Amino acid sequence: AQSVSQHNHHVILSEAASLELGCNYSYGGTVNLFWYVQYPGQHLQLLLKYFSGDPLVKGIKGFEAEFIKSKFSFNLRKPSVQWSDTAEYFCAVKTNFGNEKLTFGTGTRLTIIP
Amino acid sequence: EPEVTQTPSHQVTQMGQEVILRCVPISNHLYFYWYRQILGQKVEFLVSFYNNEISEKSEIFDDQFSVERPDGSNFTLKIRSTKLEDSAMYFCASSEERGETQYFGPGTRLLVL
Repeated sequence: AQSVSQHNHHVILSEAASLELGCNYSYGGTVNLFWYVQYPGQHLQLLLKYFSGDPLVKGIKGFEAEFIKSKFSFNLRKPSVQWSDTAEYFCAVKTNFGNEKLTFGTGTRLTIIP
Repeated sequence: EPEVTQTPSHQVTQMGQEVILRCVPISNHLYFYWYRQILGQKVEFLVSFYNNEISEKSEIFDDQFSVERPDGSNFTLKIRSTKLEDSAMYFCASSEERGETQYFGPGTRLLVL
């Protein structure tokens, strides 16, 4: 069964700092990868996704993620964070083996200090 | 932009009671899902539903749980006899096609006393 690891549980950054949140998955086959964000008091929203093609995907609000197949990783990046990026970030994977479920990581809480 | 909606936002119930959580998926979506997140833990898949049938379910989704699409818009999760450990945030999601992006609702926070 697939699993997802997010090693950073809580990240605190100052505004304008660069961000990289780690995500690793374990599954030997083809996967679809997602980053979701949950702002305080709001629901899960899709930031970006990778299905196929260019392994560098760009999402909303200046976020991007790179799929590195050899490392089973899909790290989220943003060159310059803002206070409004304070939220919880979830990496998720779906296999292409016929099932529909998303498997989520534990999430990373990001706090941006003004 | 169309959104998945869920009601109620919060529900408090006594152990052993039945609860029904309601969801209205995005209107042209065909695949529906329930997930839950126990406080401090991962978001976990419960069940997927298509064409009025369960297409996949997790080991969490035992006989106490059931899902239904009673009409053309609602998608419900019923817990027959709630236990303390059912306390969690329950998220509904929907997708347009199989394998496509799942869009989540705001969740229902269920507290079982």
